[in-house]
Amino acid sequence: AQTVTQSQPEMSVQEAETVTLSCTYDTSESDYYLFWYKQPPSRQMILVIRQEAYKQQNATENRFSVNFQKAAKSFSLKISDSQLGDAAMYFCAYRSPANAGGTSYGKLTFGQGTILTVHP
Amino acid sequence: EAQVTQNPRYLITVTGKKLTVTCSQNMNHEYMSWYRQDPGLGLRQIYYSMNVEVTDKGDVPEGYKVSRKEKRNFPLILESPSPNQTSLYFCASRSLSANTEAFFGQGTRLTVV
Repeated sequence: AQTVTQSQPEMSVQEAETVTLSCTYDTSESDYYLFWYKQPPSRQMILVIRQEAYKQQNATENRFSVNFQKAAKSFSLKISDSQLGDAAMYFCAYRSPANAGGTSYGKLTFGQGTILTVHP
Repeated sequence: EAQVTQNPRYLITVTGKKLTVTCSQNMNHEYMSWYRQDPGLGLRQIYYSMNVEVTDKGDVPEGYKVSRKEKRNFPLILESPSPNQTSLYFCASRSLSANTEAFFGQGTRLTVV
């Protein structure tokens, strides 16, 4: 079974600065998807960024980028030019590929979450 | 608007009183699932459904039931709730044919006293 670990329960950053959230995972699969979700106080789950394991290029979405190290099974999220609206709980998640079959198909496996505080 | 709708958003109930949390999606998604979120544990899958009348257990199914009689609806049933089921619950749906990611409902905060 796959596992996802976020070792930083809480992180803080000054507005306009850069912060990196860590995530490691364990899997025996060679193809999979990794995600970062943002959960603001409204509790809504918002997809921030997605990475396909077969792509070597790191995904980017505006101020959000990832550092995907497949051999190390590491998937960190970098937030540049942090804004007050970035304050939230962030979850790292893993999903098996579409052809995985069995009970892993479609299931998201989440890390424990990291609470990000942004100071003005 | 594409969405997953959960009801209620908040619920306080007493131990042993049966309850149902509804989930409905308007995107014709085949795959639907329920997660619970607890501090320090992240989200964990309770049950999932690949299509109508096809359901299976996730990682933490004890104390829960589900049904999938229609494609759009996937209710979560707690036959005899206990305090350890106090949690934040999310329903999610996803297309198995399109290369899209899961849509989440707004969450249901359940307290069992």
